[in-house]
Amino acid sequence: AQSVTQLDSQVPVFEEAPVELRCNYSSSVSVYLFWYVQYPNQGLQLLLKYLSGSTLVESINGFEAEFNKSQTSFHLRKPSVHISDTAEYFCAVSARGATNKLIFGTGTLLAVQP
Amino acid sequence: GAGVSQTPSNKVTEKGKYVELRCDPISGHTALYWYRQSLGQGPEFLIYFQGTGAADDSGLPNDRFFAVRPEGSVSTLKIQRTERGDSAVYLCASSPMGLDTDEQYFGPGTRLTVT
Repeated sequence: AQSVTQLDSQVPVFEEAPVELRCNYSSSVSVYLFWYVQYPNQGLQLLLKYLSGSTLVESINGFEAEFNKSQTSFHLRKPSVHISDTAEYFCAVSARGATNKLIFGTGTLLAVQP
Repeated sequence: GAGVSQTPSNKVTEKGKYVELRCDPISGHTALYWYRQSLGQGPEFLIYFQGTGAADDSGLPNDRFFAVRPEGSVSTLKIQRTERGDSAVYLCASSPMGLDTDEQYFGPGTRLTVT
């Protein structure tokens, strides 16, 4: 079985500051890793994913995440946030070679202040 | 093209009643997933369909919950004898083939409130 821990329920940050949203996972098998974003009053959208290859993955809007197998982490970072980045961010895993069901963390609310 | 749609967007029902929630996946997607998101929590997996068959229903909480996908497209999640604890946002997602590397595309959800 897999589990995902997002220790920070809310992260307040000022505009143009850097941010890191933490994600740790537990699994007895190899996993794929995902970050989903939920903007206010919108559905979940895939932000980025790690399947294989380079452990550093990037999104089109400046976010990046690094898969660290030894620390079982997949933290999300952005060097300079915008007001429009305010949203709920969910880390998720799925087991390789299985049914592709996603196991989500409890989410982190990124609140960007002017 | 159209994304995943879910109806109704909101449903209020009384404790003990029966409800049906509908999901219309992206055209051509063979895999369909249901998740439930309770307040302050992340989405929780309920059931996965590959075509018409339920390939994994390990997340259904009890036998009051049932889902069908008779023609391999639209799916209906059915909840009998609703309880206040069933109140949540029910999310549907679809993916092209259900491969373990496929992206899942989520609908806007149905907010169910049991009074």
